[in-house]
Amino acid sequence: DVKVTQSSRYLVKRTGEKVFLECVQDMDHENMFWYRQDPGLGLRLIYFSYDVKMKEKGDIPEGYSVSREKKERFSLILESASTNQTSMYLCASSFQGRHTGELFFGEGSRLTVL
Amino acid sequence: DQQVKQNSPSLSVQEGRISILNCDYTNSMFDYFLWYKKYPAEGPTFLISISSIKDKNEDGRFTVFLNKSAKHLSLHIVPSQPGDSAVYFCAASRMKTSYDKVIFGPGTSLSVIP
Repeated sequence: DVKVTQSSRYLVKRTGEKVFLECVQDMDHENMFWYRQDPGLGLRLIYFSYDVKMKEKGDIPEGYSVSREKKERFSLILESASTNQTSMYLCASSFQGRHTGELFFGEGSRLTVL
Repeated sequence: DQQVKQNSPSLSVQEGRISILNCDYTNSMFDYFLWYKKYPAEGPTFLISISSIKDKNEDGRFTVFLNKSAKHLSLHIVPSQPGDSAVYFCAASRMKTSYDKVIFGPGTSLSVIP
């Protein structure tokens, strides 16, 4: 079974803190994604990566950065957390070349910024 | 501007009856349409998909119908079971060279009443 693991299920941070969200997948997927889920807005793409050290902006990249130093690991960084970044963050991965749109998600990281 | 719309935030259905979840999209360039299911405190999981060249796909109790002229798709669950209670996200995928751009709707919360 595909396993996408997110390091923290629940985090509480203060405004201005730097936040790291880690994601690891064990199926040798080339593509990795970071989404955030907010009520009424669905899942919105923050950043994605289709290869090691490659990164592309999604639809809402402002206030975020990412790092992909190894194929299996994709990190989301909030340089200076703000209250409007309180959300559920979801990491996903997929096979490159299948082109069916199927994504494999982690369990999510619920971030609260006070 | 939302490219994938789910106009019903919630739906309640009696156990054993049919559940019909609806989705509309605006971009005729999508290649695949997918449904994901999400339980609280878990990541979304892929449920069923349909290629843009098909009009129906069936998998057990789940059937997805695609009406390209109306830019509309629907998910039918027959018969509905209490374990189907979850949030259902409609998604549309557009193939790029190295990845698929997947856009999600806001979700519909389905409650199946025993």
